Amino acid sequence: GAVVSQHPSWVICKSGTSVKIECRSLDFQATTMFWYRQFPKQSLMLMATSNEGSKATYEQGVEKDKFLINHASLTLSTLTVTSAHPEDSSFYICSATPMGGASTDTQYFGPGTRLTVL
Amino acid sequence: KNQVEQSPQSLIILEGKNCTLQCNYTVSPFSNLRWYKQDTGRGPVSLTIMTFSENTKSNGRYTATLDADTKQSSLHITASQLSDSASYICVVSAADYKLSFGAGTTVTVRA
Repeated sequence: GAVVSQHPSWVICKSGTSVKIECRSLDFQATTMFWYRQFPKQSLMLMATSNEGSKATYEQGVEKDKFLINHASLTLSTLTVTSAHPEDSSFYICSATPMGGASTDTQYFGPGTRLTVL
Repeated sequence: KNQVEQSPQSLIILEGKNCTLQCNYTVSPFSNLRWYKQDTGRGPVSLTIMTFSENTKSNGRYTATLDADTKQSSLHITASQLSDSASYICVVSAADYKLSFGAGTTVTVRA
């Protein structure tokens, strides 16, 4: 149980275009979903925390107008990278916390999405 | 500032051998510590989670230890297999539920 999926697993896009990444909790409802970014040989960096039905909370230094997060249901959160640039190329990972647990008591991670901006 | 430091940064071991990874943290107030395994190009997968009162936790060939007094943890891999090649990440949760991630230790197991 507790499977989190991401789609797509990888994407290549041209500079200036927008890319949407989906994160789904497959067998549980998620109170909270988290979006992370990971650069090569570095650890995960939290970008934002999203709760279903409310606005996401962004970490310092993360542009909310560039990284749009929508958490419309208890099983789906989306991250849209708007006007992508080569420096946005990274590995994006989401995680989800099941309903009923503490806010980050148990996080289940998705498999990640590799974004390459040309 | 909450920090998690892991050592070594990387290591290479022969198949069948044991190895130990280290994690030191300054996260306070402490809630729990987790070890994750991350294969290349994949998301992290939880190996163990320990709270303040737990000193050791095992998951198959993986054994984690925690010394909350010295704020140190270790992950011991026994009888390594080729499939153990991955990055191992130490994650510490503070009482306010914020997670602090270590940079990871890359383990390469060679035949």
